[in-house]
Amino acid sequence: GDSVTQMEGPVTLSEEAFLTINCTYTATGYPSLFWYVQYPGEGLQLLLKATKADDKGSNKGFEATYRKETTSFHLEKGSVQVSDSAVYFCALRFTGNQFYFGTGTSLTVIP
Amino acid sequence: NAGVTQTPKFRVLKTGQSMTLLCAQDMNHEYMYWYRQDPGMGLRLIHYSVGEGTTAKGEVPDGYNVSRLKKQNFLLGLESAAPSQTSVYFCASSYSWTAVNTEAFFGQGTRLTVV
Repeated sequence: GDSVTQMEGPVTLSEEAFLTINCTYTATGYPSLFWYVQYPGEGLQLLLKATKADDKGSNKGFEATYRKETTSFHLEKGSVQVSDSAVYFCALRFTGNQFYFGTGTSLTVIP
Repeated sequence: NAGVTQTPKFRVLKTGQSMTLLCAQDMNHEYMYWYRQDPGMGLRLIHYSVGEGTTAKGEVPDGYNVSRLKKQNFLLGLESAAPSQTSVYFCASSYSWTAVNTEAFFGQGTRLTVV
C-alpha cells in the first residue's frame, strides 16, 4: 500500500548550515506530495507541495522536487535559521481520501 | 478566517470517563480527519469522513467514535477513556481529491491526558 519513509532524526545544525531531509514514498500511481512543518505547541502547517513529476515546490527558502524515477521528495534549504527549528513531516495523497504521513524529523538549529 | 478550530485545547480525564472533542472548519471542505500524534509514531489516522453523514475507520479506530452531522463539524468521542489514549489529537480537513488544492489543513491540537 501507499506509504512514506522519512529520514530519522533528530537533526541538529548550526545556523546558516545546509539542510536536507530525505523522503521517499511508495504509491501505485502519481500522488501529490507535501511537506508540513510543526512548530512547538502548534498544529501542522503546509510548507510546500508538488502535484506532478518534476514539479518543484518552494516556500520560505525551502525547496523539494518531485522525482518520479527515485520516488523521492527531499526537503532542502541552503541556509537554516534558528526560527526553522521545528518538526518536519513528509506526506502524500493519492486518489481517494487519505493522507499518508512520515514519522517526522525534528530539526534544531543552534546559533 | 478561522480555518480549522479544535476545542478544547487541553483536557485531563480520569480512566473510564467520557468526553467529546469538537472540530469545526469554515472552508466548506468535504473531507475531515481525526489523527493522534504520539512520540516516535508520527500521525495515525483514527477516523475520517468524506461528507456530511458519513464516517469511516482509519488505522487506529478502537476506543473512539465519530459523528459528522453537519458538514462543518466533526466530533470525536471517547466513551471510556484509557491511559493508552493519552495523546495529542489533531483534526484536519481538505477538499476532495479532484480539487486543484488537495492539501490538508490542521487544527491547533488537543492535548489529552488520561490518568
